[in-house]
This record gives sequence, C-alpha cells and structure tokens, in this order.
Amino acid sequence: EPEVTQTPSHQVTQMGQEVILRCVPISNHLYFYWYRQILGQKVEFLVSFYNNEISEKSEIFDDQFSVERPDGSNFTLKIRSTKLEDSAMYFCASRGTSGGGETQYFGPGTRLLVL
Amino acid sequence: QKEVEQNSGPLSVPEGAIASLNCTYSDRGSQSFFWYRQYSGKSPELIMSIYSNGDKEDGRFTAQLNKASQYVSLLNRDSQPSDSATYLCAVNTGGGNKLTFGTGTQLKVEL
Repeated sequence: EPEVTQTPSHQVTQMGQEVILRCVPISNHLYFYWYRQILGQKVEFLVSFYNNEISEKSEIFDDQFSVERPDGSNFTLKIRSTKLEDSAMYFCASRGTSGGGETQYFGPGTRLLVL
Repeated sequence: QKEVEQNSGPLSVPEGAIASLNCTYSDRGSQSFFWYRQYSGKSPELIMSIYSNGDKEDGRFTAQLNKASQYVSLLNRDSQPSDSATYLCAVNTGGGNKLTFGTGTQLKVEL
C-alpha cells in the first residue's frame, strides 16, 4: 500500500542552525501539507502546497520557514534559523484528487529537537 | 478562529464495550470531517471520513455527523485493548483544505 515517507526520523540541531526535513508523498498525489505537533499539544497546520506553489499557510509559517518540491518526488520543509520553540514532531501529509480525494495521509514524522 | 473541541479524557472502557468519542466544531461552512487515531509518538492514522449528515459504518467503527448541531462523533462498538490511543477529530477548513485538529481524546480499553 502506498505511503508517505519522511526523513530523517529524528533530528537534533543547535539553535540558529538550518534544518531541512524531507518527505516523499504518495506518488499520484497532488496536494502536500506540513503539520507540526509540539509535545502534548494538538496537531497544527503549517502550510499547504499545490501546483508548485503555497496555497495556504498559517501564522506559524513565518519567514523562517520555506517549502520546496525540488523534483518530482520530494517535498521539503526548511527552517532557516531554528529556535528552541521549533522543537516538535513535524508531519508531512498528501492527498489525491479522486475517490476519497479529500483524505490526507500522514507520514511517520520527523522529531526535531532544538538545543 | 476556527476551532475543533474534544474532551481530552481519558475515557476508560472495558474490553468489548462501546466507546463514544465526541467532537464539536465552530466553522459552519466545514464540509469534510475525519477521525484519526494516534498512538504515542506516532503519526495520525486515518480511521474514517464523513461528509454527509447521518451515520457511516466501517467495521467496528461508526461515525455520526450532524451539521446543524456542528457535531461529529465516533463509536467503537467492540473496543479492544489495541484501540487504546488518542483519537483526533479533524475538520477540513479553508480553501486549501487544511485540517484543523482537536486536542484529541485519550481512550483506554481495559482487559
């Protein structure tokens, strides 16, 4: 069964460093998302991406964040200068367009720890 | 602010019992509703989606939607210990189809 994959599973970084989180969405999906979940809190929307551009972003997704689809398979989230409060689980999700096309399927997540 | 509200629990039920999980949402324009299950440290796993008023059944689970009351629920008719997890209600809001999640209800199924 097709699934969303994410790498790395864990990332530890120093405050102020740049991190890139990688995702491979389900192959025939066209809509891509990033969410985050701070420990003990709810899952929060960061950004949605369609047709090579951001379709919506939350107020969390400030200038320190960017997304890119560098090739036909990867979808990345970059945090330019990490802060302590960026420590969270980051989930990538994707959805198709037909037959249950509104359902978003989540990857296993990347646990980011900023020290 | 578009909100999704859930009782955080924990909800404890014995094995084989019915577990009822509830969710309310504030955006009256929402059209799509999802229940995800999340085990500790893992990602959300889809249980069921529902788009129309009424009931939708899938195996041991039944989702119920009442748009007039802005209420969606999930029934687990034969709860198993392996169902012990946090259940997330998610509502599709916004033009980009972003999901707004509730805080989740922790379910504990006891032997």
